[in-house]
Amino acid sequence: EDQVTQSPEALRLQEGESSSLNCSYTVSGLRGLFWYRQDPGKGPEFLFTLYSAGEEKEKERLKATLTKKESFLHITAPKPEDSATYLCAVPSGSARQLTFGSGTQLTVLP
Amino acid sequence: NAGVTQTPKFQVLKTGQSMTLQCAQDMNHNSMYWYRQDPGMGLRLIYYSASEGTTDKGEVPNGYNVSRLNKREFSLRLESAAPSQTSVYFCASSERVYRGRGTDTQYFGPGTRLTVL
Repeated sequence: EDQVTQSPEALRLQEGESSSLNCSYTVSGLRGLFWYRQDPGKGPEFLFTLYSAGEEKEKERLKATLTKKESFLHITAPKPEDSATYLCAVPSGSARQLTFGSGTQLTVLP
Repeated sequence: NAGVTQTPKFQVLKTGQSMTLQCAQDMNHNSMYWYRQDPGMGLRLIYYSASEGTTDKGEVPNGYNVSRLNKREFSLRLESAAPSQTSVYFCASSERVYRGRGTDTQYFGPGTRLTVL
């Protein structure tokens, strides 16, 4: 059964304190790994798609990396506006369904 | 572009009532999806439509029906609402389900918060 596990469940950082979020997955044949950001009361907002082990993508203070078993979302010098829940997802079944992790709730304190 | 829009934003139903959640996208995407999000359960796929004229069940389809009205619109119907259907419902769309290198990115709407009493 395809599974996605995110850790930690919650993370509190001081502004400027860099850290990483983890997304580990077990799927038969990776067909993409997706990172989303979700603010309270809003829908998930697309951040990155990674397709191959070794691939990296960056956007402002965020950098996503991918290995054969996990993905990391590195946050460099975060700001309070980076506070959100970060979700990762992988295609499963016939690739039509995304299996989501339960998310990491990030709080960045000023 | 508005992206993916959903109506209504909030809804309260009594057990046994019916309602339809509406979703529209203006990105000319072929594929559309309905998810529900519950605390501790993450997002789970209810139904999807790979292209206009087709619909298929996802992980949790029981108690729901869908209609792909045209390329832009995909509705979700609860025929007889139950308290277990209290959730936040998200519609999403993607250009297509699958490309040569992998699954296409899905873009989400703002959600409908449904409470069934």
